[in-house]
Parts: sequence; C-alpha cells; structure tokens
Amino acid sequence: EPEVTQTPSHQVTQMGQEVILRCVPISNHLYFYWYRQILGQKVEFLVSFYNNEISEKSEIFDDQFSVERPDGSNFTLKIRSTKLEDSAMYFCASRVAGGRDEQFFGPGTRLTVL
Amino acid sequence: AQSVAQPEDQVNVAEGNPLTVKCTYSVSGNPYLFWYVQYPNRGLQFLLKYITGDNLVKGSYGFEAEFNKSQTSFHLKKPSALVSDSALYFCAVRVWKAAGNKLTFGGGTRVLVKP
Repeated sequence: EPEVTQTPSHQVTQMGQEVILRCVPISNHLYFYWYRQILGQKVEFLVSFYNNEISEKSEIFDDQFSVERPDGSNFTLKIRSTKLEDSAMYFCASRVAGGRDEQFFGPGTRLTVL
Repeated sequence: AQSVAQPEDQVNVAEGNPLTVKCTYSVSGNPYLFWYVQYPNRGLQFLLKYITGDNLVKGSYGFEAEFNKSQTSFHLKKPSALVSDSALYFCAVRVWKAAGNKLTFGGGTRVLVKP
C-alpha cells in the first residue's frame, strides 16, 4: 500500500539555523500539507499546497517558513531561522484531488531546536 | 472558524467491553468529519470519515462512528475493544469546499484497553 514518507525521522539543530524537512507524498496525490504537533498539544495545520502554490496557510506559517515541490516527488518545508518554540513533530500529508478524500499522513519528523 | 473538542483526555476500558471516544465539532458550513489513530512513534492513520449520507459510518479495525447533526457530535465506537486498540485517537473536521481543505484536530484522547 502506498505511503507518505518523511526524512529525517529526527532532526536536532541549533537555534537560528535553517532546517529542511522532506516528504515524499503518495504518487498520484495532488494536494499536500504540513502540520505540526508540539509535545502534548493538538495537531495544528501549517500550510496546504496545490498546483505549485500555497492554497492556505495558518498564522503559524510566517515568513520564516516556506514550502517547495522541487521536483515531481518531493515536498519540503524549510524553516529559515529556527526558534526554540519550533521544536515539534512535523507531519506531512497528501490527498487525491477529490473533495471527499481523506488525507494520508507520514510518520513525522521530530524537530528539536537547542 | 472551525473547532473540535474531545472532552476526555483518556478513556480506560476492559478488553471485550464497548469503547466510545467522544467528539464534538463547530463549523460554519457542512462538515466533513474524520477519525485518525496514532500509535507510538507512528504517524496518523486514517480510520473512517463522514461525508454525507448514512449517519453511521464504518471504518477500519471494526470501528464505527455516528454523525449527529443536532448535537454536532461524531463519537467513535467499537463494540468489543482489544488490547491492541490502545493508542491516541484524534477527531478532525474540515469544511466542504473550503480553500485548501485543512483539517482541524481535537486534542486527542488516549485509549487504554486493559486485558
């Protein structure tokens, strides 16, 4: 069964450094998402991406964040200058084009900012 | 704005007993409702969804959920719980035809099934 994959599984970085989190969505999916889950808190929406552009973003997704689909398979989340409060589990998700379809989630990348 | 509430942080149930995990929602517009399960060190796995039609929906691993529009609820149920059902369960909502179709999640309910 096709799966969303994410790399790395755990990333440790120093405050102020740039990080790139990578995701490979399911191959025939057209909508892509990033969510995050701070330890002990809710899963929060960050951004949705369709047809090579952002379709919606949350207040969390400020100028420090960016997303890109550099080729036909990868979907990346970049944080330019990490803060301590960016420490969280980051989940990538993808969905087929149909409006009724569920999102499929990857296993997550745990980001630790020191 | 859309929101989801899961009033119980944890539900304890004996193996073989019925399991219910509660969820209520608030949206402007028609809701699409979802349940996901998260096992330790794993991502969110889709269990079931309500889009339209029959208010009782059946999903994976013997789970079902009932959509109640008047009570704005979408409780998850399983007639006979297994120890392997112990996990973190998330209810989520999105609005029909909303741009981006983001999911809004509840806070999660930890289910512990004891042998």
